[in-house]
Amino acid sequence: EIVMTQSPVTLSVSPGESATLSCRAGQSVRSNLAWYQQKPGQAPRLVIDGASTRATGVPARFSGSGSGTEFTLTISSLQSEDFAIYFCQQYNGWPPTFGGGTKVVIK
Amino acid sequence: EVRLVQSGADVKKPGESLKISCQGSGYDFTNYWIGWVRQRPGKGLEWMGIIYPVDSDVRYSPAFQGQVTISADKSVSAVYLQWSSLEASDTAIYYCARHRGQLQRQFLDSWGPGTLVTVSS
Repeated sequence: EIVMTQSPVTLSVSPGESATLSCRAGQSVRSNLAWYQQKPGQAPRLVIDGASTRATGVPARFSGSGSGTEFTLTISSLQSEDFAIYFCQQYNGWPPTFGGGTKVVIK
Repeated sequence: EVRLVQSGADVKKPGESLKISCQGSGYDFTNYWIGWVRQRPGKGLEWMGIIYPVDSDVRYSPAFQGQVTISADKSVSAVYLQWSSLEASDTAIYYCARHRGQLQRQFLDSWGPGTLVTVSS
């Protein structure tokens, strides 16, 4: 299975600043990469699919980029509701696999 | 609005059996694969398997093959996750999620709230 590695594990950011989260695949997953946001006590929520397509209702401050093995989720001007854990998931190889997550915390 | 409603939390003893459910509404239930994802306490997400409710075609992750059974009843728009003999290591939150895309190229676009399963003697 394809191993997904996210970095950093924890990212400390001040409200209003931007955050850059990284996700690396053990082999090429083309653009078959999704990002999910999970808040405490809640289910994950789709943020980005196809590496760069925002899901319905996701604010424009969220953007995804990359292809192959290197991917980035950028959150510009962080709002209080954006502090959460973010997981990447590849869906090019079988089975689909998730990264370990990046926790974005208030600085 | 897509809605996935899951059965409530359950506490079981090791060796007991369990079947949890996920019922979909607000979309054509027969047109999407639905899968299950495990999240152990304080840990990440593990993809378990998916089912196509129309014909109950099931695909398992190798890590979960033989450990659980996924089934569906399209007449009530429900999918199920079942254990025949629980272990303490099965303690986790289990999410059902609608999958979108071509088979084996799918992401999870809608999630249920999760079912907490606790296995303890």
